Amino acid sequence: SYVLTQPPSVSVAPGKTARITCGGNNIGIKSVHWYQQKPGQAPVLVIFYDSDRPSGIPDRFSGSNSGNTATLTISRVEAGDEADYYCQVWDSTTSHVVFGGGTKLTVL
Amino acid sequence: QITLKESGPTLVKPTQTLTLTCTFSGFSLGTGGVGVGWIRQPPGKALEWLALIYWDDDKRYSPSLKSRLTITKDTSKNQVVLTLTDMDPVDTAIYYCAYAHWDSSPKWFDPWGQGTLVTVSS
Repeated sequence: SYVLTQPPSVSVAPGKTARITCGGNNIGIKSVHWYQQKPGQAPVLVIFYDSDRPSGIPDRFSGSNSGNTATLTISRVEAGDEADYYCQVWDSTTSHVVFGGGTKLTVL
Repeated sequence: QITLKESGPTLVKPTQTLTLTCTFSGFSLGTGGVGVGWIRQPPGKALEWLALIYWDDDKRYSPSLKSRLTITKDTSKNQVVLTLTDMDPVDTAIYYCAYAHWDSSPKWFDPWGQGTLVTVSS
């Protein structure tokens, strides 16, 4: 089965740039979607199709995908960005949805 | 505006069958390109995809839970029902339903329901 690997945690100072990676075999040929989940809340889509932002998501959030790694980049990090972030793909080989293990973003 | 809400028991006993209902508004499962998915999250752990159902009754299941899961839709009631048999304490989790986007294949989930916590205990 297809596996998505995320670092358990990422820490960043306010105003700096956070990069959260999502590794998978040849993930660059798949569409990657990213979710933000704050404590006690349901996940919220922040990036779809690798780099598109839903309406209402700040342009500080961006995404890229190439080779074996997809990356969610959060620029000018704010305290309110502290949350868990999950990547997700559709594995067409197995016809299954796959989520990464999640990354806890801590704003120092 | 699309909204979804999960409902069902908050407590089930081991070996029982869990039945959860997702009631939605703002779209119809009678319309092409529309789907609903179920995802769960054990306390303090990661998201786990469970099942998907689409407008054409195409259904997909998590390979690890396929033998225990059934997903169905009632288009007239705007509802999707998920059943999970032979519940175990490890199935304790928040269960979410979400609108599943389709573009020649399943894509992303947005929006999500608020989730419902199901505890498995005797």
